[in-house]
Amino acid sequence: ETGVTQSPTHLIKTRGQQVTLRCSSQSGHNTVSWYQQALGQGPQFIFQYYREEENGRGNFPPRFSGLQFPNYSSELNVNALELDDSALYLCASSGTGTEDEQYFGPGTRLTVT
Amino acid sequence: AQSVTQLDSHVSVSEGTPVLLRCNYSSSYSPSLFWYVQHPNKGLQLLLKYTSAATLVKGINGFEAEFKKSETSFHLTKPSAHMSDAAEYFCVVSDSNFGNEKLTFGTGTRLTIIP
Repeated sequence: ETGVTQSPTHLIKTRGQQVTLRCSSQSGHNTVSWYQQALGQGPQFIFQYYREEENGRGNFPPRFSGLQFPNYSSELNVNALELDDSALYLCASSGTGTEDEQYFGPGTRLTVT
Repeated sequence: AQSVTQLDSHVSVSEGTPVLLRCNYSSSYSPSLFWYVQHPNKGLQLLLKYTSAATLVKGINGFEAEFKKSETSFHLTKPSAHMSDAAEYFCVVSDSNFGNEKLTFGTGTRLTIIP
């Protein structure tokens, strides 16, 4: 069974640029959630996708957007990058059963300069 | 809105001694609560979860937590610390009973194990 994978591992962008982060969900999972973890903080919920539709959103501006594909992999897009967007971005996948938990990937470390 | 408060940002214990990581929650209804652990350069791993069944929950690696509604607490304990327990621990509350919806994390407690 393949776990949750994310790419790239690290990247550096300049303020104002756009970035796309990718996540492959665990086999059998149809739900993907994205979280932002700033340095020294707990992760914060960005949004969740279920069967290619957004299924809940946290307190993030519209320049944070996402997609989920038919194979349930997902992308997180951030436009007009700001310095405060520097963080570890975590992807988690889950099923929809009553005992399903979220399984997290190792994250993508984004640095905005 | 649901929230969790981790009462200690950093806990240090000697190897072989008990571990106590404290968490209080705020919820307008019976919450689902979790503890996750984050080792450096690794993803978050679920230690245990409470979803309105038994109030004493046993997890992996010898950890357990007790849900106390009267105290709105969900403290994490382990009888004997091991060097491999050194990590960041997060107390988490879920919007649903299933844990597969929005998770709200505490600010974390860094556990240091002294040899």
